[in-house]
Amino acid sequence: DAMVIQNPRYQVTQFGKPVTLSCSQTLNHNVMYWYQQKSSQAPKLLFHYYDKDFNNEADTPDNFQSRRPNTSFCFLDIRSPGLGDAAMYLCATSRDRWGIKAYEQYFGPGTRLTVT
Amino acid sequence: AQSVTQPDIHITVSEGASLELRCNYSYGATPYLFWYVQSPGQGLQLLLKYFSGDTLVQGIKGFEAEFKRSQSSFNLRKPSVHWSDAAEYFCAVGEVEGNKLVFGAGTILRVKS
Repeated sequence: DAMVIQNPRYQVTQFGKPVTLSCSQTLNHNVMYWYQQKSSQAPKLLFHYYDKDFNNEADTPDNFQSRRPNTSFCFLDIRSPGLGDAAMYLCATSRDRWGIKAYEQYFGPGTRLTVT
Repeated sequence: AQSVTQPDIHITVSEGASLELRCNYSYGATPYLFWYVQSPGQGLQLLLKYFSGDTLVQGIKGFEAEFKRSQSSFNLRKPSVHWSDAAEYFCAVGEVEGNKLVFGAGTILRVKS
């Protein structure tokens, strides 16, 4: 089955220690998104890639970076995690970045990040 | 910018009872509307979507939703709830300016036996 895979499912890191979360997709979609979801809140879009074109949301902290080495993979790097960065991180994909094809998104299971 | 309001933070229903989760949106034109479900510790799964046409849309797992322009609503319904439906449900609208999804705050559904 075509899907969105996130590894690891659970990640524990220390305050200030860089961490990388991974996402891969077999849907061959052009767009990959990273969302942050804190407990009992709506997912908040951090940024997205359309192919190799990186698009940052205006209020995403500089502490968050992303890489997309190829169509299938996308990484979320947190350079210096703070306690406030503890959250579920969701990766999603869509066929295109415009209109209907942008809105129909397919989500991975998420990575739960704990910062100690 | 578009926004989505889910007025109910928590809802509890008995197994076998009917369910309606409320969603209101703000947008002048015909919106693109979605319902997603998130089981504990999982990602979001698309339940159904509305783009145009028939205002009553059918989704997976026996869910349906009705778009009512006059009320700016897109409420999710299910005639008979199963214990496995316990999850958090998010309504979302497609934001035209940013080409992105705007989510409501979610409604947590509890099912009691």
